[in-house]
Amino acid sequence: DAGITQSPRYKITETGRQVTLMCHQTWSHSYMFWYRQDLGHGLRLIYYSAAADITDKGEVPDGYVVSRSKTENFPLTLESATRSQTSVYFCATSSGGIPDTQYFGPGTRLTVL
Amino acid sequence: LAKTTQPISMDSYEGQEVNITCSHNNIATNDYITWYQQFPSQGPRFIIQGYKTKVTNEVASLFIPADRKSSTLSLPRVSLSDTAVYYCLVGGSGGYNKLIFGAGTRLAVHP
Repeated sequence: DAGITQSPRYKITETGRQVTLMCHQTWSHSYMFWYRQDLGHGLRLIYYSAAADITDKGEVPDGYVVSRSKTENFPLTLESATRSQTSVYFCATSSGGIPDTQYFGPGTRLTVL
Repeated sequence: LAKTTQPISMDSYEGQEVNITCSHNNIATNDYITWYQQFPSQGPRFIIQGYKTKVTNEVASLFIPADRKSSTLSLPRVSLSDTAVYYCLVGGSGGYNKLIFGAGTRLAVHP
């Protein structure tokens, strides 16, 4: 049981290209999250989803698009990648409610040239 | 927003107790305090969570004073494997988009 997986683990792309990062969970958790982690900034919430077809913005949503057609998947798309989006991206899940425990994936390291 | 302030880094030695303090002066009434641990090239992992007074589990203790404007994560008898970044997270009353991870505290445990 993998729990939460992210793919790809590493990605190099060029400015202006569209990139989609995948997140898949096997727990049927209601909530899913996308964070980015940059040196000196800790983790910053990009988007989150409370259930299929329900998403909401986090702290830094600009330049990103999310969708959630199925409970287990929560893809993050950079429609036109910029160098400032070079970062490590983490997906997380939780069963719901606040406070709650979030379970993080292994991360995707994205480099935009 | 309940912003947190933690020391940037700390050093310790194996077998010592480590206390990491987090300041959260504008914590809201319904906010909880949660600590996560992150190893290099891995996602953060939940350690402990509390609302007031003291919480203890098999890994750590969390001390929260009555005014709740700060909290202290206590790691008993650390080992080299406790070398990691520790994040203090405050939230709960404003929705998930109000949860703020600080920059974290980088703990280095030396032999």
